[in-house]
Amino acid sequence: AQSVTQPDIHITVSEGASLELRCNYSYGATPYLFWYVQSPGQGLQLLLKYFSGDTLVQGIKGFEAEFKRSQSSFNLRKPSVHWSDAAEYFCAVGANNAGNMLTFGGGTRLMVKP
Amino acid sequence: DGGITQSPKYLFRKEGQNVTLSCEQNLNHDAMYWYRQDPGQGLRLIYYSQIVNDFQKGDIAEGYSVSREKKESFPLTVTSAQKNPTAFYLCASSQGLAGSYEQYFGPGTRLTVT
Repeated sequence: AQSVTQPDIHITVSEGASLELRCNYSYGATPYLFWYVQSPGQGLQLLLKYFSGDTLVQGIKGFEAEFKRSQSSFNLRKPSVHWSDAAEYFCAVGANNAGNMLTFGGGTRLMVKP
Repeated sequence: DGGITQSPKYLFRKEGQNVTLSCEQNLNHDAMYWYRQDPGQGLRLIYYSQIVNDFQKGDIAEGYSVSREKKESFPLTVTSAQKNPTAFYLCASSQGLAGSYEQYFGPGTRLTVT
């Protein structure tokens, strides 16, 4: 079965600074990878996804993520963080042998300092 | 405007009462899901349905029940057997087994049982 680890429970960055949120997955073949964002009291919004092809994927709100098979990672990045990016971020993995089910990481809460 | 609606946003119940959470989608998706989210935790799958009139237990199905009589609707009943029902409940949908893996989420229902 696949699994997802987000090593950082909380991260604080200053507004305008760069951001990298870590995601590691465990799966034998090429997984389908996703990043979602959740504002307090809201549902999850899809930021970006990786199925195949170019390992650097662009998403909404200026986010990007890079799939690195050798490191089993799919880290989320943003070059300059805005105060409105403060939220919780979830990495998720899907797999061919799991139907269309997704496994979610525990989430990383991002705080942005002015 | 396509999407997923959950109602109500906040729900309060007395212990021992069953309560039903509504989830409706107009995305023409085959698959629907219910997740539970507790503070500081990721998403845990309660039930899912890949097709009308069929549903499967997820990781934490005890104390919950669902029905899928229509493609658009997947209501969740939290029964009195659920020991700790206070939580944030999220409904999601996806294209299903023959389609894309990404799941789209509703805004959530916060249930408080006292």
